[in-house]
Amino acid sequence: EDQVTQSPEALRLQEGESSSLNCSYTVSGLRGLFWYRQDPGKGPEFLFTLYSAGEEKEKERLKATLTKKESFLHITAPKPEDSATYLCAVNTGANSKLTFGKGITLSVRP
Amino acid sequence: DVKVTQSSRYLVKRTGEKVFLECVQDMDHENMFWYRQDPGLGLRLIYFSYDVKMKEKGDIPEGYSVSREKKERFSLILESASTNQTSMYLCASSLGTAANEKLFFGSGTQLSVL
Repeated sequence: EDQVTQSPEALRLQEGESSSLNCSYTVSGLRGLFWYRQDPGKGPEFLFTLYSAGEEKEKERLKATLTKKESFLHITAPKPEDSATYLCAVNTGANSKLTFGKGITLSVRP
Repeated sequence: DVKVTQSSRYLVKRTGEKVFLECVQDMDHENMFWYRQDPGLGLRLIYFSYDVKMKEKGDIPEGYSVSREKKERFSLILESASTNQTSMYLCASSLGTAANEKLFFGSGTQLSVL
């Protein structure tokens, strides 16, 4: 059974304090790893897709990386508006069905 | 931008009622999904559909059914609502069936069953 584990469950940072969110996975065959951002009361919003070990993608203060066992979402000099829940998901089949982790709630204090 | 619209933001129903949750997407996407999201459990897939009138069970289909009569609309049905179905329900769609297709989500329906 495919498993996705995210850590820590919650993270509190001071504005400007860089950190990383972890997503570890145990799957039969990874076809894609996805990161989403979810704001309170809203649906998840797509951030990145990673396909193979060594791949990296960046968007503003966020950088996602992938190894054979885990993915990291690095947040550089975060701002309060980066506060949200970050979800990791994997696709292991021949379709777009995703299995999600439980999410990491990030709070950035001014 | 793709828009996925869920008909209700909040719903309150009684135990035993039949409940319909509606979802509409405006980008001619092939695939549609229903997830539920619970604290500490994350998002779990209930049902999905690859085409009109086609449906497949997800990880937690018990107590639910779905209907897809038109490509743009995907309905989730709770035949007899129970308190353990109180949850946030999220609808999503994706363009095709490739593994790299990202999902676009609606804003969710918070269902309370009393």
